[in-house]
This record gives sequence, structure tokens and C-alpha cells, in this order.
Amino acid sequence: NAGVTQTPKFQVLKTGQSMTLQCAQDMNHEYMSWYRQDPGMGLRLIHYSVGAGITDQGEVPNGYNVSRSTTEDFPLRLLSAAPSQTSVYFCASSIHPDREGDTQYFGPGTRLTVL
Amino acid sequence: DQQVKQNSPSLSVQEGRISILNCDYTNSMFDYFLWYKKYPAEGPTFLISISSIKDKNEDGRFTVFLNKSAKHLSLHIVPSQPGDSAVYFCAASARTGTYKYIFGTGTRLKVLA
Repeated sequence: NAGVTQTPKFQVLKTGQSMTLQCAQDMNHEYMSWYRQDPGMGLRLIHYSVGAGITDQGEVPNGYNVSRSTTEDFPLRLLSAAPSQTSVYFCASSIHPDREGDTQYFGPGTRLTVL
Repeated sequence: DQQVKQNSPSLSVQEGRISILNCDYTNSMFDYFLWYKKYPAEGPTFLISISSIKDKNEDGRFTVFLNKSAKHLSLHIVPSQPGDSAVYFCAASARTGTYKYIFGTGTRLKVLA
């Protein structure tokens, strides 16, 4: 049981480049989410999904796209990277937020630098 | 607009003493609260949670207190150990429909040996 996996661990992009951050979970969780962590800002929710085919925006969705074609995978796409997107990105999954005692499991993170 | 706030960026405590980490929230729809612990270069890990129908939840050395009227929760760690040194995040959600977990800015706890 690998839990939540994220690839790559590190990435450097130039302004304007595009890339996809991968996230997968093997716990059959319905809920998946993406956060970014910046100094002094904590963890901010980018996008989330409550199941395959269903996604919604979080607190800071601009500049990011997501899709959820399978229960296991929830990729995060940066279409045109900007220096303001330099951050550490975390993917998380849980059974479902409306379940009693729901808790999120986090991946190890992707450190992204945009030059 | 920060809906979940942790006003103390850092805290230092002597080993064996109590650590108290605080969290305030503004959204009265929040009804479920969690604490996560994060070590450097790792993802956050779940520590303890509390539903709004309770005012206290205990798990070993960790206790979370919820004061709904003040929109305030706190995490107590007793006794504190050097391995508790980490960044602690509180999070909140409103389980009726929005399905968002909103996190605070974190408090860095340092337990001195």
C-alpha cells in the first residue's frame, strides 16, 4: 500500500512553460485535493475532487487545471508557469469529507521553481 | 480573507512541559476541525480531530479543545518531547456541501531538550 504518491519530487521550469504534477493514491479514496505551501501562507487549497469526473475550485485556483478521469489519479496542470507559482505542492486524499472522522493523507510533495 | 488563523508563527517549550498551540476561525459553518503535524521535506500527517458536537478530544499526549462561541481551538501536548518539534497546522471544514478543508498558516514548535 503506497498511499499517496507524487511525481516529480523537484522541478525547475522557465516562465511560460507548461507541466503536469502527478498524484496517485491506492486507497480507493473518493476525495482528492491539491495544496500549495508558501512561507507565511500555510497550506492553500488549489482544486479538489469528490470523485471521478467531478472537480471544483479551492482558494487559489487561478493558473491551474485539474481533471479526475479515474479514482486513483488527480493530475495538476500548469498551462503557462509564472514565478508566482514557485512553491511546494502537496496532493492529499481521504474517503470523503462528509464521513465521520474523515482525515486526509498527504503525499511527500513536489518542490517547483519557476525562473 | 484567512478563514483559519494561527497567530503564533513559532513556539519554544522545554522538554516535559506543556505545549499549547492555538487556532482561530471565522466561518461559523465549520463543524469539523483537525490538527496536522509536518516535518521538513515531508507531507503533513494527521494528528487529532474534533467534531463541533464535542468540546474536547484526547489521544494520548494530545488533547484538542474547541470553544465554539469564541471560534477558537487549541492543541495541548503533554508532556512535550523533542520529537514533537515540527510545524503544526490546524484545518477546518464544513461537512454540509462545500467539501473544502481550509488550513491555517502553521505554528513551528521547537521542544528544547
